[in-house]
Amino acid sequence: GQSLEQPSEVTAVEGAIVQINCTYQTSGFYGLSWYQQHDGGAPTFLSYNALDGLEETGRFSSFLSRSDSYGYLLLQELQMKDSASYFCAVRSSNTGKLIFGQGTTLQVKP
Amino acid sequence: AAGVIQSPRHLIKEKRETATLKCYPIPRHDTVYWYQQGPGQDPQFLISFYEKMQSDKGSIPDRFSAQQFSDYHSELNMSSLELGDSALYFCASSIGQGYGYTFGSGTRLTVV
Repeated sequence: GQSLEQPSEVTAVEGAIVQINCTYQTSGFYGLSWYQQHDGGAPTFLSYNALDGLEETGRFSSFLSRSDSYGYLLLQELQMKDSASYFCAVRSSNTGKLIFGQGTTLQVKP
Repeated sequence: AAGVIQSPRHLIKEKRETATLKCYPIPRHDTVYWYQQGPGQDPQFLISFYEKMQSDKGSIPDRFSAQQFSDYHSELNMSSLELGDSALYFCASSIGQGYGYTFGSGTRLTVV
């Protein structure tokens, strides 16, 4: 089977740093993506790792270790607007198909 | 900047009726993906098209069909609707089956 595991909920305060972990088990692996989704809204692309290591985009960074089938999303200088659901997603074939994790609900408190 | 356009935004249908969802990708994007997201669930891949040909298929019921037209827009046709089909349906587009999708705002389908 194919599965992605990520925590269901994370709570942090404004200005803090939070890390959302994702482990995966899929039949194919072409890269790990992260998406943000606000309630009722469209998933928004945040980052993508095809190779091991850290990718940084502003306040967001994403890490991948293919040998450990593991990645994480790091959010720095948290803002209230970062309260949302965060999904890791494996690009499981060269057709671009994504398999999503169950999502992590991040609540940022004042 | 142009985004992925989906229509309608909301749709209410009765059981056993038919629905058609439309998706207009970002200009010059040649790949379209369809996902279904139930309440509190993650998006589930349904089907994708690259250069007007079906490129991949996921957990799409036989009651559903889709196609990509010559202008690259795509339509998802859903027949014999069931209560369980109530969900958000997202379309996404990319260039050449690339990794950075852009999702549309979705169509919220409610089957009553």
